[in-house]
Amino acid sequence: AQSVTQLDSHVSVSEGTPVLLRCNYSSSYSPSLFWYVQHPNKGLQLLLKYTSAATLVKGINGFEAEFKKSETSFHLTKPSAHMSDAAEYFCVVSDRGGATNKLIFGTGTLLAVQP
Amino acid sequence: GAVVSQHPSWVICKSGTSVKIECRSLDFQATTMFWYRQFPKKSLMLMATSNEGSKATYEQGVEKDKFLINHASLTLSTLTVTSAHPEDSSFYICSARDTIKATFFGQGTRLTVV
Repeated sequence: AQSVTQLDSHVSVSEGTPVLLRCNYSSSYSPSLFWYVQHPNKGLQLLLKYTSAATLVKGINGFEAEFKKSETSFHLTKPSAHMSDAAEYFCVVSDRGGATNKLIFGTGTLLAVQP
Repeated sequence: GAVVSQHPSWVICKSGTSVKIECRSLDFQATTMFWYRQFPKKSLMLMATSNEGSKATYEQGVEKDKFLINHASLTLSTLTVTSAHPEDSSFYICSARDTIKATFFGQGTRLTVV
């Protein structure tokens, strides 16, 4: 079975400071891992995904995440937060080796960016 | 990039009535579509997996007679909330998977049952 744990339900940073959103995963198969962003009352936008190529994945809007198998982690980072980054972020796992290929969502981290 | 359109984006209905939500893949064929429900300040919960031309597979605890899913074509899946009650009020999101298994999400539908 697959699962993801987002360690922080809320993160608050000041504009211009680094962002770190933490995610740990559990998977019986070789996982695919994703980070999605959701702005209020909007759908989800894919930030980045890991599917077994490079362990450091670069996404849109300056975000990146590093797959660390030894730590079963896939933390999302950004060097400098912008006000527009304020949103809900979801870490997602999918079992590439499994039959269903379902996406399993973490509980989300709400990122607040202070001026 | 690929676009998934969900309609309506919001709907208010009276208790006891039924509401249909459409999910369309605009520029690709989606053999599989997924329906999620998101409670306020909560994560997305998968409700069902919809495969074109066959019956949907529902997750445990989701009432199939309450949430009717139809996937009649490679570009359209519908979710009908039957005999809606206030507790069905939620944000419903669909996603569609293309032939190379990339997944794209709709913009969501806010359902309010009064």
